[in-house]
Amino acid sequence: SQTIHQWPATLVQPVGSPLSLECTVEGTSNPNLYWYRQAAGRGLQLLFYSVGIGQISSEVPQNLSASRPQDRQFILSSKKLLLSDSGFYLCAWSPGTGNRKLFFGSGTQLSVL
Amino acid sequence: DAKTTQPNSMESNEEEPVHLPCNHSTISGTDYIHWYRQLPSQGPEYVIHGLTSNVNNRMASLAIAEDRKSSTLILHRATLRDAAVYYCILRDRWNSNYQLIWGAGTKLIIKP
Repeated sequence: SQTIHQWPATLVQPVGSPLSLECTVEGTSNPNLYWYRQAAGRGLQLLFYSVGIGQISSEVPQNLSASRPQDRQFILSSKKLLLSDSGFYLCAWSPGTGNRKLFFGSGTQLSVL
Repeated sequence: DAKTTQPNSMESNEEEPVHLPCNHSTISGTDYIHWYRQLPSQGPEYVIHGLTSNVNNRMASLAIAEDRKSSTLILHRATLRDAAVYYCILRDRWNSNYQLIWGAGTKLIIKP
């Protein structure tokens, strides 16, 4: 069966520090991968999606970047965090074709102080 | 993808049925209706989806209006573990998930 791993669960970082959040998927090939951010009490905002290795599309201009170095690995990064980067970050995957259900990781609560 | 409208919150008693409404008046003929739920401090999980006919699975039932402009997620016997935010989303069968629009959902509160 397929599983998605996202870490860390919580992270507290000072303003101006770098960020690296990692997400890996097991049990499937060629998944579509997504990074979402969720503000408290709000819906999900899509940040990046990827349909293949090295293929990244950005939905919202921001202080963040994403990379997909391997088929089932998706990384969210920042060189210098801002206070506004605080939030709940979610990684998700869906099959590239056919069933298009989204499967989410457990999320990372990022606090930038 | 079209937007949906849901109540901000609803309350229900434990072990009673819950009906969560969703309005999607601008739905197109190729839009599927998807429901996800998000437990506190967790990622959303898929609940159910449908196109025109009512759907049942082990988690819930989905009742779709005849004109498809609204739908209702039905939890037949709510438990405390069903307390979550429920999202109703439309996804065009020809489009991918990166075009989904997530609203704030309905926060379901279950009273023991």
